[in-house]
Amino acid sequence: QVQLQESGPGLVKPSGTLSLTCVLSGGSFSTRVWWSWVRQPPGKGLEWIGEIYYSGTTRYNPSLKSRVSMSLDGSKNLFSLRLNSVNAADTGMYYCARGPTLSTFEFDSWGQGTQVTVSS
Amino acid sequence: QSVLTQPPSASGTPGQRVTISCSGSSSNIGSYIVNWYQQVPGTAPKLLINSYDQRPSGVPDRFSGSKSDTSASLAISGLQSEDEADYYCAAWDDSMEGVVFGGGTRLTV
Repeated sequence: QVQLQESGPGLVKPSGTLSLTCVLSGGSFSTRVWWSWVRQPPGKGLEWIGEIYYSGTTRYNPSLKSRVSMSLDGSKNLFSLRLNSVNAADTGMYYCARGPTLSTFEFDSWGQGTQVTVSS
Repeated sequence: QSVLTQPPSASGTPGQRVTISCSGSSSNIGSYIVNWYQQVPGTAPKLLINSYDQRPSGVPDRFSGSKSDTSASLAISGLQSEDEADYYCAAWDDSMEGVVFGGGTRLTV
């Protein structure tokens, strides 16, 4: 059973860089699925940030594309998120997820989430 | 403003049937499967069902999903108190080349 666990600083200063890591256990990076980051501002809905394939190919939400990058390390079973030039609007819960799958585009496993606050 | 449109709230009494709608366009719901997620406040979202009415193991068959043209629906029958949660629809979007979510519907039982 796939399990995902996010980690990273809970507090980031404005204009700084948010860096998070998601460790995968109980599975491996697959050729039939992407790996994504999804965030949720306080009291608001879900927003897809972007995804990375096992090959390293990435796709990002156009609204964040200029500030985001993702990487994957298969040898360590983890993938990472970097978001530059953060501001208060980037505050929220950040989830890593398995998906979207190539057949049904679903996110079938989620991490528990990690809270990130942007504040000086 | 979310790409997919959901009603912000829905409610029902135990045992009732409730339906939550999700409206999109030809670039998302009109072309791709729709997935529904359940999020109990304070926890991570959980995959619930898709528009082919396929459920992960462990999801009761009280939940059903469907799609027609550019709209999708989630139906919950035999409503139970533990169904009280936020529900999100999601689909791939060709215009954005990514996944888009609905704004979420808070279900009160």
